[in-house]
Amino acid sequence: QVQLQQSGPGLMKPSQTLSLTCAISGDTVSSKSAAWNWVRQSPSGGLEWLGRTYYRSKWYNNYGVSVKSRLVINPDTSQNQFSLQLSSVTPEDTAVYYCARESTAGRWDYWGQGILVTVSS
Amino acid sequence: DIQMTQSPSSLSASVGDRVTITCRASQRFSGYLNWFQQKPGKAPKLLIFAASTLQSGVPSRFSGSGSGTDFTLTISSLQPEDIATYYCQQNYETPFSFGGGTKLEI
Repeated sequence: QVQLQQSGPGLMKPSQTLSLTCAISGDTVSSKSAAWNWVRQSPSGGLEWLGRTYYRSKWYNNYGVSVKSRLVINPDTSQNQFSLQLSSVTPEDTAVYYCARESTAGRWDYWGQGILVTVSS
Repeated sequence: DIQMTQSPSSLSASVGDRVTITCRASQRFSGYLNWFQQKPGKAPKLLIFAASTLQSGVPSRFSGSGSGTDFTLTISSLQPEDIATYYCQQNYETPFSFGGGTKLEI
């Protein structure tokens, strides 16, 4: 059974860098049949894909348009986890952040529990 | 980028009703369309992947269909536990995108 356990701060100040971690159990971050995604959900409810990392003989990353210049997603094979770093946060980055596994046939079958991140001065 | 337009945004139905939710894509693609159910305070739950394949453990009253630009989620006989918000998602190409959601009420 795959489990994704998220950790990170719940409160940020504007201009800081948000760092979140998603620890994986039951699978490996370097699996050649999975990709590891970050998604956020704004207070109004909309879901926004932020980006992903995956391994296919080498590491690849893809990023969403709205955050591309501020976002870095990194795998950590030693800890079997992956992370999100979002720089220069503003109140518009306030959201629930989720990590999720994308497996074969595009199935997004496992999700983390979500972390509410509030950006406020 | 592919935009996903979901309709209706909200829907009121009765127990036992057949419910249909539609998702329209801004450009054609095949497969790689997911449907999720989300209840308050919980992560989205995968119902359907590859447009029409039922995820393991999901009741058979849920079904998906479509290809090209038009995709549909159908609940054949609505149950009280189906009260939730439903989202479509294309993961055909990056940037991946979600529909705006359909809030289902009884």
